[in-house]
Amino acid sequence: NAGVTQTPKFQVLKTGQSMTLQCAQDMNHNSMYWYRQDPGMGLRLIYYSASEGTTDKGEVPNGYNVSRLNKREFSLRLESAAPSQTSVYFCASSETGTGAFANYGYTFGSGTRLTVV
Amino acid sequence: AQSVTQLDSQVPVFEEAPVELRCNYSSSVSVYLFWYVQYPNQGLQLLLKYLSGSTLVKGINGFEAEFNKSQTSFHLRKPSVHISDTAEYFCAVSARSNDYKLSFGAGTTVTVRA
Repeated sequence: NAGVTQTPKFQVLKTGQSMTLQCAQDMNHNSMYWYRQDPGMGLRLIYYSASEGTTDKGEVPNGYNVSRLNKREFSLRLESAAPSQTSVYFCASSETGTGAFANYGYTFGSGTRLTVV
Repeated sequence: AQSVTQLDSQVPVFEEAPVELRCNYSSSVSVYLFWYVQYPNQGLQLLLKYLSGSTLVKGINGFEAEFNKSQTSFHLRKPSVHISDTAEYFCAVSARSNDYKLSFGAGTTVTVRA
């Protein structure tokens, strides 16, 4: 009954370093999302994947890349970290479509707190 | 595109008092509306959602919200809060026209005092 699992939970990077945030869901959801949360700004969408094999930019994609490895896994990569990327990152998944499956809301992971120094 | 405005950034309230968190949305199409709660150092948890039907929606932990199409609002209420309701609350909106992607408000921090 894990839901959405994110690793790592905490990370400190130096400016210019790279890293990949991992996310996996066990609910057989089609859609997966990466958000960042900053004080006073709510959650902003970085990238999303509507289904396996597809990815699209969200509201704030600059400085990030993603990979939908399979239906379960959706990773977020920072190629060259910057202090402006200090944030809490949340992965989420959802079942989308029409009719009875129409958007029952997202299931969120517990987050990755990233600090770039 | 849809957007959400949460009208209060901070709401202090005494234990056992009622609380209302205000949310307004803007959209030119039919929307789905959600309230999420985030307890300290945790992820977001769904409180309740409006998809269609009755405009009064009941959720977990005694919360309810009312969808008002004419005022484009989806305010969250609880008649009597507990210390454990201290958390940040997010209103969110989605629509089929935007592939059901959620757009979040900036959040309202509720602090319940004894």
